[in-house]
Amino acid sequence: AQSVTQPDIHITVSEGASLELRCNYSYGATPYLFWYVQSPGQGLQLLLKYFSGDTLVQGIKGFEAEFKRSQSSFNLRKPSVHWSDAAEYFCAVEQGYQLIWGAGTKLIIKP
Amino acid sequence: EAGVAQSPRYKIIEKRQSVAFWCNPISGHATLYWYQQILGQGPKLLIQFQNNGVVDDSQLPKDRFSAERLKGVDSTLKIQPAKLEDSAVYLCASSFGPSNTEAFFGQGTRLTVV
Repeated sequence: AQSVTQPDIHITVSEGASLELRCNYSYGATPYLFWYVQSPGQGLQLLLKYFSGDTLVQGIKGFEAEFKRSQSSFNLRKPSVHWSDAAEYFCAVEQGYQLIWGAGTKLIIKP
Repeated sequence: EAGVAQSPRYKIIEKRQSVAFWCNPISGHATLYWYQQILGQGPKLLIQFQNNGVVDDSQLPKDRFSAERLKGVDSTLKIQPAKLEDSAVYLCASSFGPSNTEAFFGQGTRLTVV
């Protein structure tokens, strides 16, 4: 069975600093990978997804993620975070039309 | 375009009581999902409907949880009787096709069982 690991339960960064959230997956073939964001009191919103092709994927809100097959990783990045980026971020992988979710990483922004 | 609507937003009940959650999916979306999200975890799929038929309810605790989508549109999720470990956010999502990788999520209902 596939699994998704987000090693960091929470991360604190200063406003304006760069961000990288880690995601590792276990899957034999080329996975379909996703990043979602959940702001306080909000539902989950899709940030970006990778199906195939270019391994650097651009998403909404200035986020991007890079698929690295050799490292089984799909890390999320943003060059400069804003206070409004404070939220919980979930990585997920598709398995048979269903999503297998990581436990999430809570992003805290320092002013 | 209106999103997925859920109500109530918050609910506090005592253990052994019953509770129901309502979901109105995006118009035209045939597939509807209910997820349970316990604090500190990712969402867990409880049940998936395709129109008014159940596609997957393998993780639904059927001794206490039930869900229906009678006319293939709105859905209700019920817990009876509730246990302390049912405290979670219950998320509804919908998608046009059968894959929840294309789903849109509602804001969720936060349930606290005391």
